[in-house]
Amino acid sequence: EIVMTQSPATLSVSPGERVTLSCRASQSVNSNLAWYQQKPGQAPRLLIHGASTRATGIPARFSGSGSGTEFTLTISSLQSEDFAVYYCEQYHNWPPYTFGQGTKLEIK
Amino acid sequence: QLQLHESGPGLVKPSDTLFLSCTVSGGSISTSDYYWGWIRQPRGKGPEWIGNFDYSGRTFYNPSLKSRVTISVDTSQSNFSLRVTSVTAADTAVYYCVRHAVPPDYGDYDGGFDHWGQGTLVTVSS
Repeated sequence: EIVMTQSPATLSVSPGERVTLSCRASQSVNSNLAWYQQKPGQAPRLLIHGASTRATGIPARFSGSGSGTEFTLTISSLQSEDFAVYYCEQYHNWPPYTFGQGTKLEIK
Repeated sequence: QLQLHESGPGLVKPSDTLFLSCTVSGGSISTSDYYWGWIRQPRGKGPEWIGNFDYSGRTFYNPSLKSRVTISVDTSQSNFSLRVTSVTAADTAVYYCVRHAVPPDYGDYDGGFDHWGQGTLVTVSS
């Protein structure tokens, strides 16, 4: 099973700032990686797949990069609606698909 | 547009069987382009994939749950179900039904779970 590790667990940032979240895989997943955003009481929403392709309807301020074992999600200018928990997930080697433990973005 | 909706009891007793259904509207579960399945998420934790099925009815399960989980499909009714036997408190979670793209024969692809139901909380307690 591929283990996904996200860092940091919590990030305190101010609206308008640029923020980068990290995700590491325990072995290579090529570019078969997705990022999700989850707000309280809601299902996760797919933001990025293929490591860098924005999903349908996702704003351009969200971007993903990386391949192999190291990945990042960047939000270029944080909006109030972006404060949420973000998860990475690998779909390269399954079963099982595996998720990271999440990074929580909170308002500074 | 495509919608998924979970239904089932919110409270299950320890050692009993958990049973949930997912109804799909605005799309067909018979398509060869997608897997359909279940994910669960305990409070305060990351999602955990439970299992998928494809258009032919072939199923795939998380090895950690495989001995207790069954996913069944009723194509004519556009719904599928989840059964988890011998539940314990560790099975308490929000359960989601989901859709995932089928991978190509080779190469990387834009996968991920692109549609989710709203989720249903299942609590295991006596």
